[in-house]
Amino acid sequence: EVQLLESGGGLVQPGGSLRLSCAASGFAFSSYAMSWVRQAPGKGLEWVSPLSGSSSTTYYADSVKGRFTISRDNSKNTLYLQMNSLRAEDTAVYYCAKGSSMRSDYYFDYWGQGTLVTVSS
Amino acid sequence: EIVLTQSPGTLSLSPGERATLSCRASQSVSSSYLAWYQQKPGQAPRLLIYGASSRATGIPDRFSGSGSGTDFTLTISRLEPEDFAVYYCQQYGSSPKTFGQGTKLEIK
Repeated sequence: EVQLLESGGGLVQPGGSLRLSCAASGFAFSSYAMSWVRQAPGKGLEWVSPLSGSSSTTYYADSVKGRFTISRDNSKNTLYLQMNSLRAEDTAVYYCAKGSSMRSDYYFDYWGQGTLVTVSS
Repeated sequence: EIVLTQSPGTLSLSPGERATLSCRASQSVSSSYLAWYQQKPGQAPRLLIYGASSRATGIPDRFSGSGSGTDFTLTISRLEPEDFAVYYCQQYGSSPKTFGQGTKLEIK
């Protein structure tokens, strides 16, 4: 059974940093791209950043470029999101999502339960 | 970037009725790489449809997807109480993978 468990969310002041983690199990983690998708309160879904299985290919939404860094440790089956220079508009539930295939044209077949990040003074 | 526009924003129907949700893309979605997700309050999104028309594992056959190019549709043939939720379309044929803004399906 595929399981994705996010952690690391919480309350942080503007300009602060947080590191999110997503512990994966039930599949060959290193073979699949993983992504972070966020959802601001009452809003829709935003694809924040993906990372290929080998960590060779990534992308960042313009809204987080230069401030967020995605990484993974395939030996620990864990995906990370380092978030720096946080802004109020980064307040959201952050979901970890598994890509459906080993190719680049993947959809998200499994999602974690999400972790809430609140940026406020 | 492909922009996806979903309509209507809110759809009010009764259990047993048929629901038709639309997703229109600003440019052609390659190879019909279009997915639909269902999200209930306080829950993560759940994959319903991929490849525009293929049901994900465990999804009841009252859910069906259709379309190609720039116009896609999610149809729920007979609404069950548990189907009232927000539905998102997503294209995954080109980067960035984009989502529609969602359609809220509410009980009339």
